[in-house]
Amino acid sequence: ETGVTQSPTHLIKTRGQQVTLRCSSQSGHNTVSWYQQALGQGPQFIFQYYREEENGRGNFPPRFSGLQFPNYSSELNVNALELDDSALYLCASSSGQGGPGNTIYFGEGSWLTVV
Amino acid sequence: AQKVTQAQTEISVVEKEDVTLDCVYETRDTTYYLFWYKQPPSGELVFLIRRNSFDEQNEISGRYSWNFQKSTSSFNFTITASQVVDSAVYFCALSVDFGNEKLTFGTGTRLTIIP
Repeated sequence: ETGVTQSPTHLIKTRGQQVTLRCSSQSGHNTVSWYQQALGQGPQFIFQYYREEENGRGNFPPRFSGLQFPNYSSELNVNALELDDSALYLCASSSGQGGPGNTIYFGEGSWLTVV
Repeated sequence: AQKVTQAQTEISVVEKEDVTLDCVYETRDTTYYLFWYKQPPSGELVFLIRRNSFDEQNEISGRYSWNFQKSTSSFNFTITASQVVDSAVYFCALSVDFGNEKLTFGTGTRLTIIP
């Protein structure tokens, strides 16, 4: 148990729809990151939030957006879903100052299928 | 740019055998961090170890050991006396000093322990 919880665990959406995935970070953790993991691949960094501000973004289009709330929980929003967005979306949290080298704990992920 | 290569896509060994998972990384940064994660079928990434670039000491934790060699840019992971519960996908990851925690993952090695 890492203390990072994600919801929903599984969902199916239609191409063109929008989806919101949620993450509760481990208690005391102020940094949240989101990753996309396609089948058979390693996770790819989407973005990171540190104290409610985006603090780094990977190579993902603007239709991938996020939020971090004052309690450090977070949301990942994806608009105009495409078939290639089908993947496992992982949330990760840590207690560092937003910089590298901290131990990062992952949740169990949200499995998104776009049809 | 950073890159992590896990050349072994799949490995199968008989229970109680030792197995080594290879990880080769690329970065121009002198300060960086290396990680190993285990991903069981549930999807959650389980943290195993973090090592910074200035600490080349090998580490042992129970049946797990890690060999970090900067000269060959490798951070290999050995499981001694493997058990069926070790079956999972293992990921090596790299983080550099860019002001955020972005992890660059390899493509993973699927390890199957045959009883």
